[in-house]
Amino acid sequence: EVQLVETGGGLVQPGRSLKLSCVASGFTFNNYWMSWTRQAPGKGLEWVASITNSGGSTYYPDSVKGRFTISRDNAQNTLYLQMNSLRSEDTATYYCTREGYTTDYDYWGQGVMVTVSS
Amino acid sequence: DVVLTQSPATLSVTPGERISLSCRASESVDTYLHWYQQKPNESPRLLIKYASQSISGIPSRFSGSGSGTDFTLSINGVELEDLSIYYCQQGNSLPTFGAGTKLELK
Repeated sequence: EVQLVETGGGLVQPGRSLKLSCVASGFTFNNYWMSWTRQAPGKGLEWVASITNSGGSTYYPDSVKGRFTISRDNAQNTLYLQMNSLRSEDTATYYCTREGYTTDYDYWGQGVMVTVSS
Repeated sequence: DVVLTQSPATLSVTPGERISLSCRASESVDTYLHWYQQKPNESPRLLIKYASQSISGIPSRFSGSGSGTDFTLSINGVELEDLSIYYCQQGNSLPTFGAGTKLELK
C-alpha cells in the first residue's frame, strides 16, 4: 500500500523558515517524480514544486521560486520542502504527492498545515 | 501559464441524475488533463487521468472525455457520496489546477 506521511508543519512568523518532510512507503521511491501541492484555507489547489526521480531537476511556479526548495533523499525514501522568507499568503495545507507517468498526481499524503502569522 | 476554467462553479444535483462538469484550457493541453475529487476535510483523490483513463477503485459511473482545450467529467447516476468538490489539473506544461466545481444537493 502506497503511503505518504508529511511532517514539519506549524505556526511560523513572517520572514522565517520551515522545512517539511514526507516519508514514502509501499512503492519504489526512486522510480517516481514527486511534488508538493498546497491548499489555502477554503481555497483551491496550487502546485508548489516538483522534483525528478533522480533529484537532478526541480521546478517551481513563480509564486515560490527563489524562496522554496524541493529535495529528496532516495536512500531514506524521503521528500523535503525547505520554505524560506515565508509570507502570510503561504498559509495552507501542504500535500506531498506522487506524480504518475502521465503527469497526474496518483497518490496524496494526508497533508500538513503551515500557518504564517505574527 | 495554462489557465483552466471550470464550470459551473456550483451544481445542485438530485441523486440518480447524469451530470457533466466542464474544464476548458486557455491553450491546448493535448490529453494531459486529470480530474480529482475532494471531500470535506480529506485529501484529493485521482478520479480520471489522461482525459479519459479510468483509475482502479473508482466507481464506473465516473468517466472523462475531451482533448485539446475542452474536457468533460461525467457522473452517470449521481450518488450522495459524490457530493464533493471536483478539480481538473493539466500536466502538459507546468502544472495548474482549475478553481473547482462544487456538487451540492438540490
